Amino acid sequence: RKEVEQDPGPFNVPEGATVAFNCTYSNSASQSFFWYRQDCRKEPKLLMSVYSSGNEDGRFTAQLNRASQYISLLIRDSKLSDSATYLCVVNRGGSYIPTFGRGTSLIVHP
Amino acid sequence: GAVVSQHPSWVICKSGTSVKIECRSLDFQATTMFWYRQFPKQSLMLMATSNEGSKATYEQGVEKDKFLINHASLTLSTLTVTSAHPEDSSFYICSARRDPGSEQYFGPGTRLTVT
Repeated sequence: RKEVEQDPGPFNVPEGATVAFNCTYSNSASQSFFWYRQDCRKEPKLLMSVYSSGNEDGRFTAQLNRASQYISLLIRDSKLSDSATYLCVVNRGGSYIPTFGRGTSLIVHP
Repeated sequence: GAVVSQHPSWVICKSGTSVKIECRSLDFQATTMFWYRQFPKQSLMLMATSNEGSKATYEQGVEKDKFLINHASLTLSTLTVTSAHPEDSSFYICSARRDPGSEQYFGPGTRLTVT
């Protein structure tokens, strides 16, 4: 089993839709969790950190479920500009080495 | 957010030559920097972890004698691709992190083409 797994998609949704991504991780000692977005041929950019209590930033909501070892990202009212690849990052427990999921591709169409 | 620069943004070199890539954290001190490579339509692959003042830790399968990493200060790390070959052509990205539990910020990447 891979350390961090994501559904690669693509998720193809219309503008205004709500879309959710999940990411599972295998190391129960993992301490820190993040969502990044990466546009084609660009570097990843931090979207949000994921806290145990869940957190929200505008249209984006991230949640962590330690018992089931997954994190989620919810995007409400999708915009065309949300089209990108969304990367789940989990820092390994102890060493805090980041492990990336392969990314989930989102395409928002008019 | 924090700013990380990377230089050069792209480079073309001949097979057998060496290429140095610089990664700088511009507005914060980075205890750790990471080096990644990414092939088209593939995920980021961590190559090595670099802590200031100590030797880099390489991921399994990454040749440390080929990819030399130096982390001379809290704001600068360099990656030197030695004796480059066409198969080393890739997108190399660095990132920097303040402390172990915090997020990492990425440089804009360097596109290396070896002819």
